Amino acid sequence: QSALTQPRSVSGSPGQSVTISCTGTSGDVGGHNYVSWYQQHPGKAPKFMIYDVSKRPSGVPDRFSGSKSGNTASLTISGLQADDESDYYCCSYAGSYTWVFGGGTKLTVL
Amino acid sequence: QVQLVESGGGVVQPGRSLRLSCAASGFIFSSHAMHWVRQAPGKGLEWVAMTSYDGINKYYADSVKGRFTISRDNPKNTMSLQMNSLRAEDTAVYYCAREYIESYNIDHWGQGTLVTVSS
Repeated sequence: QSALTQPRSVSGSPGQSVTISCTGTSGDVGGHNYVSWYQQHPGKAPKFMIYDVSKRPSGVPDRFSGSKSGNTASLTISGLQADDESDYYCCSYAGSYTWVFGGGTKLTVL
Repeated sequence: QVQLVESGGGVVQPGRSLRLSCAASGFIFSSHAMHWVRQAPGKGLEWVAMTSYDGINKYYADSVKGRFTISRDNPKNTMSLQMNSLRAEDTAVYYCAREYIESYNIDHWGQGTLVTVSS
């Protein structure tokens, strides 16, 4: 049950796009299409942004998109806005009814 | 709307016990698996435990297996986490979270309750 690997930080200017990676193993990210992404502002609960690798819950802007290749999932945020500045976490089902999260990525909007 | 409200956090000495509760509303509680996820101060999220929609099946992270017990009471729309033999490394905000129905994805989260293990 090792944490998924995410970059500690990423940054971009308003209007640009950024991509956050999430690397696991064939036992979690690579073996299941149950990768989700969460946005967490300081002191707040996580917010559900992406599920099943690339699906968006209702209410999440289409600027947020997800994908996966092999053992690495990615979250792309296009048309960056100031309010996107936050921590982002990936999560993957890891089999045998266990789940694993990434270490989190701090997104800074310059 | 979906609401999850945790309670029961506080300061506890190492080796002691604490019981967290989660009150759910705004959805059919008995249809959803439920989870506990924790976040140590300044750290990332860590999955802790899951109970199936009917409370029969329960699963735990290795870090808490044998010490924590998850349970639920569907008629009362509540879930609990009994935490025994607490350690300093269990210090965290504990979130109650709902699983998107039959999906292996966690969707809604409560606001969390802080557990501090310290002498």
